[in-house]
Amino acid sequence: GQQLNQSPQSMFIQEGEDVSMNCTSSSIFNTWLWYKQDPGEGPVLLIALYKAGELTSNGRLTAQFGITRKDSFLNISASIPSDVGIYFCAGPDNYGQNFVFGPGTRLSVLP
Amino acid sequence: SAVISQKPSRDICQRGTSLTIQCQVDSQVTMMFWYRQQPGQSLTLIATANQGSEATYESGFVIDKFPISRPNLTFSTLTVSNMSPEDSSIYLCSVEGGTISTEAFFGQGTRLTVV
Repeated sequence: GQQLNQSPQSMFIQEGEDVSMNCTSSSIFNTWLWYKQDPGEGPVLLIALYKAGELTSNGRLTAQFGITRKDSFLNISASIPSDVGIYFCAGPDNYGQNFVFGPGTRLSVLP
Repeated sequence: SAVISQKPSRDICQRGTSLTIQCQVDSQVTMMFWYRQQPGQSLTLIATANQGSEATYESGFVIDKFPISRPNLTFSTLTVSNMSPEDSSIYLCSVEGGTISTEAFFGQGTRLTVV
Protein backbone atom coordinates (compact mmCIF):
# COMPACT_ATOMS: atom_id res chain seq x y z
CA GLY A 1 0.00 0.00 0.00
CA GLN A 2 0.90 3.65 -0.08
CA GLN A 3 3.40 4.82 2.48
CA LEU A 4 4.54 8.26 3.46
CA ASN A 5 7.89 9.12 4.99
CA GLN A 6 8.65 12.31 6.85
CA SER A 7 11.95 13.89 7.74
CA PRO A 8 13.29 14.80 10.07
CA GLN A 9 11.62 12.62 12.70
CA SER A 10 12.21 15.31 15.28
CA MET A 11 13.92 18.65 15.52
CA PHE A 12 14.93 21.12 18.16
CA ILE A 13 15.23 24.74 17.09
CA GLN A 14 15.69 28.12 18.70
CA GLU A 15 12.79 30.52 18.82
CA GLY A 16 12.91 32.79 15.79
CA GLU A 17 14.55 30.25 13.49
CA ASP A 18 12.99 29.01 10.28
CA VAL A 19 11.97 25.36 10.00
CA SER A 20 11.75 23.07 7.01
CA MET A 21 10.37 19.55 6.89
CA ASN A 22 9.39 17.25 4.08
CA CYS A 23 7.24 14.33 3.17
CA THR A 24 7.89 11.75 0.47
CA SER A 25 5.82 8.99 -1.03
CA SER A 26 6.52 5.87 -3.03
CA SER A 27 3.54 6.67 -5.26
CA ILE A 28 1.92 9.71 -6.79
CA PHE A 29 -0.49 11.77 -4.73
CA ASN A 30 -3.11 14.14 -6.11
CA THR A 31 -3.59 15.95 -2.82
CA TRP A 32 -1.22 16.76 0.01
CA LEU A 33 -2.46 17.77 3.44
CA TRP A 34 -0.39 19.11 6.31
CA TYR A 35 -1.64 18.83 9.90
CA LYS A 36 -0.40 19.92 13.31
CA GLN A 37 -1.24 18.02 16.47
CA ASP A 38 -0.88 19.60 19.88
CA PRO A 39 -0.60 17.35 22.94
CA GLY A 40 -3.99 15.97 23.94
CA GLU A 41 -5.71 17.27 20.83
CA GLY A 42 -6.74 15.96 17.44
CA PRO A 43 -4.81 16.98 14.31
CA VAL A 44 -5.70 20.36 12.86
CA LEU A 45 -5.48 20.98 9.12
CA LEU A 46 -2.90 23.64 8.30
CA ILE A 47 -2.59 23.63 4.54
CA ALA A 48 -4.09 21.64 1.66
CA LEU A 49 -2.38 21.35 -1.73
CA TYR A 50 -4.12 20.17 -4.89
CA LYS A 51 -1.81 20.79 -7.85
CA ALA A 52 1.78 19.83 -8.67
CA GLY A 53 4.07 22.81 -8.16
CA GLU A 54 1.50 24.65 -6.05
CA LEU A 55 2.91 26.88 -3.32
CA THR A 56 0.46 27.88 -0.58
CA SER A 57 0.90 30.01 2.52
CA ASN A 58 -1.01 30.24 5.78
CA GLY A 59 0.51 32.97 7.91
CA ARG A 60 4.08 31.95 8.74
CA LEU A 61 3.55 28.55 7.14
CA THR A 62 4.31 27.77 3.51
CA ALA A 63 3.84 24.40 1.84
CA GLN A 64 4.68 23.20 -1.64
CA PHE A 65 3.34 20.35 -3.74
CA GLY A 66 6.35 18.76 -5.41
CA ILE A 67 6.55 18.67 -9.20
CA THR A 68 6.96 14.89 -9.21
CA ARG A 69 3.78 14.61 -7.08
CA LYS A 70 5.72 12.32 -4.77
CA ASP A 71 6.80 14.88 -2.24
CA SER A 72 5.78 17.98 -0.34
CA PHE A 73 7.53 20.49 1.87
CA LEU A 74 6.38 22.54 4.84
CA ASN A 75 8.28 25.59 5.99
CA ILE A 76 7.68 27.61 9.14
CA SER A 77 9.27 31.03 9.37
CA ALA A 78 10.29 32.83 12.56
CA SER A 79 9.25 29.99 14.87
CA ILE A 80 7.51 30.74 18.17
CA PRO A 81 6.88 28.53 21.22
CA SER A 82 3.33 27.67 20.16
CA ASP A 83 4.70 26.00 17.01
CA VAL A 84 5.66 23.06 19.23
CA GLY A 85 3.83 19.90 18.24
CA ILE A 86 3.78 17.06 15.78
CA TYR A 87 3.40 17.83 12.09
CA PHE A 88 1.83 15.17 9.88
CA CYS A 89 1.56 15.01 6.14
CA ALA A 90 -1.32 13.06 4.61
CA GLY A 91 -2.84 12.19 1.29
CA PRO A 92 -5.79 10.23 -0.06
CA ASP A 93 -5.33 6.50 -0.48
CA ASN A 94 -5.43 4.74 -3.84
CA TYR A 95 -9.20 4.66 -3.83
CA GLY A 96 -9.61 8.25 -2.67
CA GLN A 97 -11.84 7.06 0.15
CA ASN A 98 -9.67 7.76 3.16
CA PHE A 99 -6.30 9.19 4.09
CA VAL A 100 -2.80 7.87 4.63
CA PHE A 101 -0.69 9.65 7.25
CA GLY A 102 3.05 10.03 7.55
CA PRO A 103 4.84 9.16 10.80
CA GLY A 104 5.12 12.82 11.78
CA THR A 105 7.84 15.34 12.56
CA ARG A 106 8.05 16.35 16.22
CA LEU A 107 9.05 19.98 16.59
CA SER A 108 10.45 21.49 19.78
CA VAL A 109 11.14 25.22 20.05
CA LEU A 110 13.68 26.35 22.61
CA PRO A 111 13.27 29.83 24.08
CA SER B 1 -14.98 23.05 8.14
CA ALA B 2 -17.25 20.85 10.26
CA VAL B 3 -17.19 21.01 14.06
CA ILE B 4 -16.62 17.54 15.48
CA SER B 5 -17.27 16.68 19.12
CA GLN B 6 -16.05 13.49 20.74
CA LYS B 7 -17.08 12.09 24.08
CA PRO B 8 -15.51 11.18 26.40
CA SER B 9 -12.31 13.16 25.98
CA ARG B 10 -10.46 10.66 28.16
CA ASP B 11 -11.15 7.61 30.28
CA ILE B 12 -9.36 5.05 32.40
CA CYS B 13 -10.91 1.61 32.11
CA GLN B 14 -10.45 -1.80 33.64
CA ARG B 15 -9.25 -4.60 31.39
CA GLY B 16 -12.05 -6.81 30.12
CA THR B 17 -14.58 -3.99 30.01
CA SER B 18 -15.85 -2.06 26.98
CA LEU B 19 -15.98 1.65 26.20
CA THR B 20 -18.18 3.40 23.66
CA ILE B 21 -16.90 6.63 22.14
CA GLN B 22 -19.34 9.05 20.56
CA CYS B 23 -18.71 11.39 17.64
CA GLN B 24 -21.15 14.18 16.80
CA VAL B 25 -20.77 16.46 13.77
CA ASP B 26 -22.55 19.79 13.41
CA SER B 27 -23.47 19.14 9.78
CA GLN B 28 -24.32 16.17 7.62
CA VAL B 29 -21.27 14.45 6.21
CA THR B 30 -20.96 11.56 3.84
CA MET B 31 -17.73 10.03 5.07
CA MET B 32 -16.86 9.38 8.72
CA PHE B 33 -13.78 7.51 9.85
CA TRP B 34 -12.29 6.18 13.07
CA TYR B 35 -8.54 6.27 13.64
CA ARG B 36 -6.29 4.95 16.38
CA GLN B 37 -3.11 6.70 17.44
CA GLN B 38 -0.90 4.64 19.70
CA PRO B 39 1.53 6.48 21.99
CA GLY B 40 4.16 8.30 19.99
CA GLN B 41 2.82 6.96 16.71
CA SER B 42 1.00 8.21 13.66
CA LEU B 43 -2.66 7.72 12.85
CA THR B 44 -3.93 4.32 11.73
CA LEU B 45 -7.33 3.95 10.14
CA ILE B 46 -9.58 1.49 11.97
CA ALA B 47 -12.66 1.67 9.77
CA THR B 48 -14.98 3.75 7.65
CA ALA B 49 -18.35 4.25 9.32
CA ASN B 50 -21.07 3.74 6.71
CA GLN B 51 -24.52 5.18 7.25
CA GLY B 52 -27.15 2.48 7.08
CA SER B 53 -24.75 -0.42 6.59
CA GLU B 54 -21.91 -2.23 8.28
CA ALA B 55 -18.62 -0.40 8.72
CA THR B 56 -15.69 -1.16 6.42
CA TYR B 57 -12.73 -2.35 8.48
CA GLU B 58 -9.06 -2.07 7.62
CA SER B 59 -6.69 -4.99 7.81
CA GLY B 60 -5.98 -5.91 11.41
CA PHE B 61 -9.25 -4.56 12.79
CA VAL B 62 -12.42 -6.61 13.25
CA ILE B 63 -16.02 -5.85 14.04
CA ASP B 64 -16.13 -7.98 17.18
CA LYS B 65 -13.37 -5.91 18.76
CA PHE B 66 -14.36 -2.49 17.38
CA PRO B 67 -18.10 -2.42 16.66
CA ILE B 68 -19.17 0.80 14.97
CA SER B 69 -22.58 2.38 14.56
CA ARG B 70 -23.60 5.13 12.13
CA PRO B 71 -27.33 5.71 12.55
CA ASN B 72 -27.39 8.97 10.59
CA LEU B 73 -25.19 11.45 8.72
CA THR B 74 -24.10 13.40 11.83
CA PHE B 75 -23.36 10.74 14.45
CA SER B 76 -21.22 7.64 14.94
CA THR B 77 -19.97 5.51 17.80
CA LEU B 78 -16.93 3.30 18.19
CA THR B 79 -16.84 0.65 20.90
CA VAL B 80 -13.58 -0.80 22.12
CA SER B 81 -14.56 -4.23 23.42
CA ASN B 82 -12.96 -6.54 25.97
CA MET B 83 -10.16 -4.06 26.52
CA SER B 84 -6.57 -4.90 27.32
CA PRO B 85 -3.67 -2.56 28.10
CA GLU B 86 -2.61 -2.79 24.45
CA ASP B 87 -5.77 -0.87 23.55
CA SER B 88 -4.47 2.19 25.39
CA SER B 89 -4.41 4.81 22.64
CA ILE B 90 -6.00 7.96 21.37
CA TYR B 91 -9.08 7.25 19.28
CA LEU B 92 -10.01 9.89 16.74
CA CYS B 93 -13.16 10.52 14.77
CA SER B 94 -12.69 12.11 11.37
CA VAL B 95 -14.95 13.43 8.63
CA GLU B 96 -14.23 14.26 5.05
CA GLY B 97 -15.11 17.62 3.60
CA GLY B 98 -13.68 20.70 1.97
CA THR B 99 -14.63 23.42 -0.43
CA ILE B 100 -12.34 22.42 -3.30
CA SER B 101 -11.39 18.85 -2.78
CA THR B 102 -11.19 16.24 -0.15
CA GLU B 103 -9.80 17.17 3.24
CA ALA B 104 -10.04 15.34 6.53
CA PHE B 105 -11.11 17.04 9.76
CA PHE B 106 -10.73 15.57 13.23
CA GLY B 107 -12.37 15.61 16.61
CA GLN B 108 -10.24 16.30 19.66
CA GLY B 109 -9.78 12.61 20.30
CA THR B 110 -10.48 10.24 23.17
CA ARG B 111 -7.48 9.27 25.26
CA LEU B 112 -8.05 5.76 26.56
CA THR B 113 -5.96 4.14 29.27
CA VAL B 114 -6.62 0.50 30.11
CA VAL B 115 -5.36 -0.74 33.47
